[in-house]
This record gives sequence, structure tokens and C-alpha cells, in this order.
Amino acid sequence: EPEVTQTPSHQVTQMGQEVILRCVPISNHLYFYWYRQILGQKVEFLVSFYNNEISEKSEIFDDQFSVERPDGSNFTLKIRSTKLEDSAMYFCASRWGQANTGELFFGEGSRLTVL
Amino acid sequence: SQQGEEDPQALSIQEGENATMNCSYKTSINNLQWYRQNSGRGLVHLILIRSNEREKHSGRLRVTLDTSKKSSSLLITASRAADTASYFCAYTGANSKLTFGKGITLSVRP
Repeated sequence: EPEVTQTPSHQVTQMGQEVILRCVPISNHLYFYWYRQILGQKVEFLVSFYNNEISEKSEIFDDQFSVERPDGSNFTLKIRSTKLEDSAMYFCASRWGQANTGELFFGEGSRLTVL
Repeated sequence: SQQGEEDPQALSIQEGENATMNCSYKTSINNLQWYRQNSGRGLVHLILIRSNEREKHSGRLRVTLDTSKKSSSLLITASRAADTASYFCAYTGANSKLTFGKGITLSVRP
């Protein structure tokens, strides 16, 4: 069964360092998302991406964050200068259908620990 | 906040019992979905109910939606120890993003 894959599964970094989290969405999906979940807390929307551009972003997704789809398969989230509060589980998700219908398929997440 | 709110926050039941989890939201929605998350794992889609539907079934899952009260419930019948997980309601409105509630931790005792 097709699935969303994320790498790395866990990354430890020093505050101020750049981090790139990678995702391979399901191949025929058109909409891509990043969410994050601080340990034991709610799942927060970061950004949605469609047709090679950001379609919506949250207040969390400030200038330190960027997303890119560098080729036909990868979807990346970059944090330019990590802060302690960026420590969280980051989930990539994708969807095939129209923007506000259908389920999202989530990856297993990338745990980011900022020291 | 436009976030969904589930209750209870935590639920502990005996295997074989039914588990009922509720979710309330504040905006107009296109659909409402329930997801499950095992500890430390990703989110797995369980069931979706559209705004023009009132009830839906999938195996041991039953979800209801009351748009007048802006609420939904998820019923898991004949629970099993393997149902132990966190459950999240999530909804989409006019845009594409999925907004999640805070989650309910379900513990099913064998």
C-alpha cells in the first residue's frame, strides 16, 4: 500500500543550526502538508502546498521556515535557525483529491530535538 | 480559537466495553474526520463524515455529526486492548487545511 515516508526519523541539532526534514508523499497526490506536534500536545498545522506554491500557512510558519518540492517526489521542510521551541514531531501529509475533501495520509514523523 | 475540542481528555475502559469520544468545533465545516495515533507514531485516518451526513459506520466504528450543535462523536464498540491510543477529531472548512482537536487518550484494560 502506498505510504508517505519521512526522513530522518529523529534528528538532534544545536540551537541556531539549519535543519531539513524530508518527505516523499504518495506519488499521485497533489496536496502536501506539514504539521507539528509538540510532545503530548495538539497537532498543529504549519503549511499546505499545492501546484508548487504555498496555499496556506499558519502563524507558526514564520520566516525561519520554508518548504520546497525540488523534484517530482520530495517535499522538504527547512528550518533556517532552530530554536529550542522547535523541538517537536514534524508530520508530513499528502492528499490526492480536491482541497477540502478526503483524508490526509500521514507519514510516521520526524522527531526534532533542539539542544 | 478555531480548534476542535474533544472530551473527555482521557478515557479508561475495560476490554469489551464501548468507548464514546466527543468533539466540538467552532466554524462551518466541509467534513469532519477522526484519526488515531499510537504512542510515538504517525496519524492514521479512521473515518470521514461529510457535513451533509449525520451518521457513518466503519467496522466497529460509528461516527455521528450534528452540525447544528457543531459536534461529533466517535463510538468504538467492543473495544480491544489494541484500541489503546490517542484519538483526534479534525475538520476542514472552506480551505484545504485540516484543523485538529487536542486529542483523547483511550486506555483499554485487558
